[in-house]
Amino acid sequence: KQEVTQIPAALSVPEGENLVLNCSFTDSAIYNLQWFRQDPGKGLTSLLLIQSSQREQTSGRLNASLDKSSGRSTLYIAASQPGDSATYLCAVSLAGTALIFGKGTTLSVSS
Amino acid sequence: GAVVSQHPSWVICKSGTSVKIECRSLDFQATTMFWYRQFPKQSLMLMATSNEGSKATYEQGVEKDKFLINHASLTLSTLTVTSAHPEDSSFYICSAQSRGRGGYNEQFFGPGTRLTVL
Repeated sequence: KQEVTQIPAALSVPEGENLVLNCSFTDSAIYNLQWFRQDPGKGLTSLLLIQSSQREQTSGRLNASLDKSSGRSTLYIAASQPGDSATYLCAVSLAGTALIFGKGTTLSVSS
Repeated sequence: GAVVSQHPSWVICKSGTSVKIECRSLDFQATTMFWYRQFPKQSLMLMATSNEGSKATYEQGVEKDKFLINHASLTLSTLTVTSAHPEDSSFYICSAQSRGRGGYNEQFFGPGTRLTVL
């Protein structure tokens, strides 16, 4: 059974810091991996999607990497801003199936 | 593009009543829709997978007679919580998937529905 773990559960940093969020999964036979952002009481915003054949994806200040063989992904946020404060969720899927989510990392960026 | 809507965004109901939540793909046809539930400070847990024109597949522990799912068209799936109880209070989120949209079986999520049962 696929399990997704995210470390740390919570993270507080001052504005401007670069930071890394970690995600690990137990079964490397994934089809893709997605990173989402969720604000309190809100739905999900897709940040990055990495196919199993890809190593990384970048969007603005965000960079996500994938090491399928070791079952790990990282989300790198450069020059963090208070507006980045949210919960970040990592999720994996097999082809055509539902996503399996981690519990998330709650990020707080102070000004 | 690739917008998924949910209605209502929030609902408060009395214990014992039924509540229907709609999930619509606005600009694409969704061959598959997924329903998730999220309790406070928890992650999203899959409840069921819904394919257009066929019966939904429920995850273990999810009562199919309590959570009725209908996927009658390629743009609409509904989740009805029957005889709701306070323990059903949660955040319900749907996602829609289309082979022809987004590529790579990407799922597009609705904004969620907050259900509170008194």
